[in-house]
Amino acid sequence: DAGVIQSPRHEVTEMGQEVTLRCKPISGHNSLFWYRQTMMRGLELLIYFNNNVPIDDSGMPEDRFSAKMPNASFSTLKIQPSEPRDSAVYFCASGRARNTGELFFGEGSRLTVL
Amino acid sequence: QKEVEQDPGPLSVPEGAIVSLNCTYSNSAFQYFMWYRQYSRKGPELLMYTYSSGNKEDGRFTAQVDKSSKYISLFIRDSQPSDSATYLCAMKGQGAQKLVFGQGTRLTINP
Repeated sequence: DAGVIQSPRHEVTEMGQEVTLRCKPISGHNSLFWYRQTMMRGLELLIYFNNNVPIDDSGMPEDRFSAKMPNASFSTLKIQPSEPRDSAVYFCASGRARNTGELFFGEGSRLTVL
Repeated sequence: QKEVEQDPGPLSVPEGAIVSLNCTYSNSAFQYFMWYRQYSRKGPELLMYTYSSGNKEDGRFTAQVDKSSKYISLFIRDSQPSDSATYLCAMKGQGAQKLVFGQGTRLTINP
């Protein structure tokens, strides 16, 4: 079975550029979560969706961040414009809404903003 | 104060030792407690899942929850170099979907 698939695995960009991170959840999972991980702050929840609908985006740091889930098999996290402080590993995770203690994480997208 | 506190370590022990990893929390509404393991450059993966208080054992791993003290632990017996990873505690309330993660403890088992 394919797990959660994220792309790109690594992204290096310059400040001010637009960054788009992509995620394909596990088939049959109806919840999708975007996390950001840094050494200083650990794993932080940015936003999550149930059945493609955003439920809680209170973790999105500011208006430069946006996320969409146009269908059950695809989600994007966009940062525009990017800043050096956005440098982190961004994880997508999926699960079943009734049991979101068990999340399945992708391998992450490592973002470096110069 | 963070909702979940976890010593980030690093923690380094010899192979075969018993390892104890711990988290404290402040939200009494938390009912579900999890431990995730994260290898370097990988995503976290669920290791143990417990509900409310008590112990749960799975092979060399034992998870303990003490809700009266708001304290959870993960014990690893006969630790192996392959156990070297970052261990994150996570928890959530009844009916909640959001997991609150600890900072993670970086563990190294030395051969």
